[in-house]
Amino acid sequence: GEQVEQLPSILRVQEGSSASINCSYEDSASNYFPWYKQEPGENPKLIIDIRSNMERKQIQELIVLLDKKAKRFSLHITDTQPGDSAMYFCAASWRTGNTGKLIFGLGTTLQVQP
Amino acid sequence: EAGVTQSPRYAVLQEGQAVSFWCDPISGHDTLYWYQQPRDQGPQLLVYFRDEAVIDNSQLPSDRFSAVRPKGTNSTLKIQSAKQGDTATYLCASSRPYEQYFGPGTRLTVL
Repeated sequence: GEQVEQLPSILRVQEGSSASINCSYEDSASNYFPWYKQEPGENPKLIIDIRSNMERKQIQELIVLLDKKAKRFSLHITDTQPGDSAMYFCAASWRTGNTGKLIFGLGTTLQVQP
Repeated sequence: EAGVTQSPRYAVLQEGQAVSFWCDPISGHDTLYWYQQPRDQGPQLLVYFRDEAVIDNSQLPSDRFSAVRPKGTNSTLKIQSAKQGDTATYLCASSRPYEQYFGPGTRLTVL
């Protein structure tokens, strides 16, 4: 079916520690997995993505891991800062093709405490 | 590069009223999406277009919602008779393909 499960729904961490968000998907044909950050009153902003031909991608403090066999992917934020506090959404492409339909998870609220 | 633009930014209606949302995608992006995002939830796809063609409108409540993209550029989403359950932010996104970039959204409140 068209579902992406995202956990946890709320994540509280201390400043300087790591935060991890996990997602799982159902469509074995999914080949594109973006992550979005949304601050209150703002639109979702693409922060990092990974395609199915990769297992790991890193942009500065953001690391994405993809396990195609298990149909799971995850976002890891190292050395969290208060500015990382926001809602984070994972997504997976549905039925590949040139037009990319994305199925979004329900989101994780990350709170980084000073 | 200019981002996705949407208007209006806010709308407040009584139940039964109609409203239209307008979206101008990033230049050169052939795929345009409309999402509904209820408060504290993820974006839920309503409809998407590639150029002027509807690719998937299976989640669009067809009795009250309609969407067009007549020239394959700008798009309009219309709610014919709004209900309180339509209260949400309506997001437009565009891609070429895959990487989707969202506009600022229209926050709709139906009283």
